[in-house]
Amino acid sequence: GENVEQHPSTLSVQEGDSAVIKCTYSDSASNYFPWYKQELGKRPQLIIDIRSNVGEKKDQRIAVTLNKTAKHFSLHITETQPEDSAVYFCAALNTGGFKTIFGAGTRLFVKA
Amino acid sequence: KAGVTQTPRYLIKTRGQQVTLSCSPISGHRSVSWYQQTPGQGLQFLFEYFSETQRNKGNFPGRFSGRQFSNSRSEMNVSTLELGDSALYLCASSLAEGDTEAFFGQGTRLTVV
Repeated sequence: GENVEQHPSTLSVQEGDSAVIKCTYSDSASNYFPWYKQELGKRPQLIIDIRSNVGEKKDQRIAVTLNKTAKHFSLHITETQPEDSAVYFCAALNTGGFKTIFGAGTRLFVKA
Repeated sequence: KAGVTQTPRYLIKTRGQQVTLSCSPISGHRSVSWYQQTPGQGLQFLFEYFSETQRNKGNFPGRFSGRQFSNSRSEMNVSTLELGDSALYLCASSLAEGDTEAFFGQGTRLTVV
């Protein structure tokens, strides 16, 4: 079945450093790849997304890259800040299949 | 504009009982998806509804079921509860079928004792 693998499960960085989270998906029909941030005790919220016809997208300190051939995509956070500490989920969706598959999540700690 | 509302927020049930959770999507949103969140397992897809029809279902036993009403509100039901069903159940709404951003509710934390 469809699967999304996400690594690492835990990531600890020093404030100001960069953080990279990687995901691999199995369903080649996936065409939409969102990233959600879930702070402790709160609901997941979309932070950035990318579609299959785009290789890279950037929004201030956050960027996402997509390699469709290898079926993997990554989240890059630069100049990390303590408020970036949260659990990040990647997801893959085939918009014709109405089923979003999430990765297991990455707990990011940003040390001040 | 009100966000996605889930009720109740917390629930404690005993094994063997059944439970019904409710999700009211953002006004105008017609797609509702349900997820089970447990530590270490991330967000597991349960099912997705659009226009009162279940469009897809995850790999959960038949004890998990759901429905969607004409006003797009959705309910999920779990029968014969097991200890392993203890989790945070999240619903998310989207504007339309196959649409993009999903807006999550705060979730219902179910504890089975």
